[in-house]
Amino acid sequence: QKEVEQNSGPLSVPEGAIASLNCTYSDRVSQSFFWYRQYSGKSPELIMSIYSNGDKEDGRFTAQLNKASQYVSLLIRDSQPSDSATYLCAVSFGNEKLTFGTGTRLTIIP
Amino acid sequence: GAVVSQHPSRVICKSGTSVKIECRSLDFQATTMFWYRQFPKKSLMLMATSNEGSKATYEQGVEKDKFLINHASLTLSTLTVTSAHPEDSSFYICSASVGSYNEQFFGPGTRLTVL
Repeated sequence: QKEVEQNSGPLSVPEGAIASLNCTYSDRVSQSFFWYRQYSGKSPELIMSIYSNGDKEDGRFTAQLNKASQYVSLLIRDSQPSDSATYLCAVSFGNEKLTFGTGTRLTIIP
Repeated sequence: GAVVSQHPSRVICKSGTSVKIECRSLDFQATTMFWYRQFPKKSLMLMATSNEGSKATYEQGVEKDKFLINHASLTLSTLTVTSAHPEDSSFYICSASVGSYNEQFFGPGTRLTVL
C-alpha cells in the first residue's frame, strides 16, 4: 500500500526562525510531490510543488526532494505567526490521485 | 494558481433531505475533479474521482448511491448527499487537477450540518 508519513507534531518554532517539515513516502514510482497549507476550518492551499531531485525555492519556502531516500521536506525561513497552520504532504503515485500524509501542525511563537 | 469555487459554503439541513454541492473551476477546464471529506482534526479522505462525461470512481467504503456525483461539463462537478443523516455532517471539499504533474487546487469547502 502506498503511504505518506509525516510527524503529526505539534511543531513549535520561534518567530523569525526556520521551520523544517519532513515527509517520507513508500513507493519509488512516485512522480509528483506537493506541500499544502491548511488553516483551521479552511481548505488546503497549494504552496509548493516539486518533481525532480534537489531544492526548489519560492519566496520564504524551499522544498527539498530526495527520491533515493524517498524523502521530501519543506523549509520555511523567517517564520511568521501567519505560518501557523497544518502542513500536508501529498504524493502522486503515478496516477491522478494524491495520497496525503496526516499533516504536521506548526505553531510559530511570537 | 487555478481557482476553484464551491457552493454553498455552509448548509444546515434536516435528517432525510438531500443536499447538492457544486464545484466549479473558474479559470481553467478540469477533466478530473475530486471530492474529499474531512472530519474535525482528521486528515482528508478521498471519496471519489470525477471525470467529465463518465461515471465517478468511488473509493472503497464510499456508498455511490448515497453520494451521487455528476461531472456534466469541464468546469462543473456536483456532489449530492442523498437522505442525509447526522453522521454525514462533515466538511466536504472538492479539488480539480491541472497539468501533467497532477497539481490539485482545492475549493473553499462546504460545511454540512445535518440535524
